[in-house]
Amino acid sequence: AQSVTQPDIHITVSEGASLELRCNYSYGATPYLFWYVQSPGQGLQLLLKYFSGDTLVQGIKGFEAEFKRSQSSFNLRKPSVHWSDAAEYFCAVEGSQGNLIFGKGTKLSVKP
Amino acid sequence: GAVVSQHPSRVICKSGTSVKIECRSLDFQATTMFWYRQFPKQSLMLMATSNEGSKATYEQGVEKDKFLINHASLTLSTLTVTSAHPEDSSFYICSASGGLQNIQYFGAGTRLSVL
Repeated sequence: AQSVTQPDIHITVSEGASLELRCNYSYGATPYLFWYVQSPGQGLQLLLKYFSGDTLVQGIKGFEAEFKRSQSSFNLRKPSVHWSDAAEYFCAVEGSQGNLIFGKGTKLSVKP
Repeated sequence: GAVVSQHPSRVICKSGTSVKIECRSLDFQATTMFWYRQFPKQSLMLMATSNEGSKATYEQGVEKDKFLINHASLTLSTLTVTSAHPEDSSFYICSASGGLQNIQYFGAGTRLSVL
């Protein structure tokens, strides 16, 4: 069955520090992968996506993610975190019906 | 990016009443719309997939008679929670996909509280 695992429930980083959020997926075929961000009480905003091609994808707000097939991973990174990046981050893989299968999310807190 | 409008953003209702939630794609035609439910501190769980002009496909465990979905046009889908009970209190989020890459764009969500 298709699934997404985000091993870190909550991460705290200092403002200006680098960030990496982990995501592992289980999917038989070539996956379509996504990262979304959700602010409290809000919907989801797409940060970036991977469909094919270059395994390092750039997204909005300075985020990037790297698809590693050998590790079944799609980790999200940002070189320097801003206080406004504090939010919940969801990794997702597209399912067979075109729906999204989400991980449980990682809550990011940013220390001043 | 594309804009999906979801209304209302918050609703409080009495037990036994019905609540309708609208999801509109404002600047694109959505061939498919999805309805998700999110419990506190949990991930989003797919409730149903809705294609314009056809019956929605519900996920296992989701009561289709309780959660009525109508996708009457390429820009509008509605979710009606019938005879709502406190256990239906949750955050409901819709998404719409269309276009070449079929990326899903999400509404802002609806916080339903059933008293």
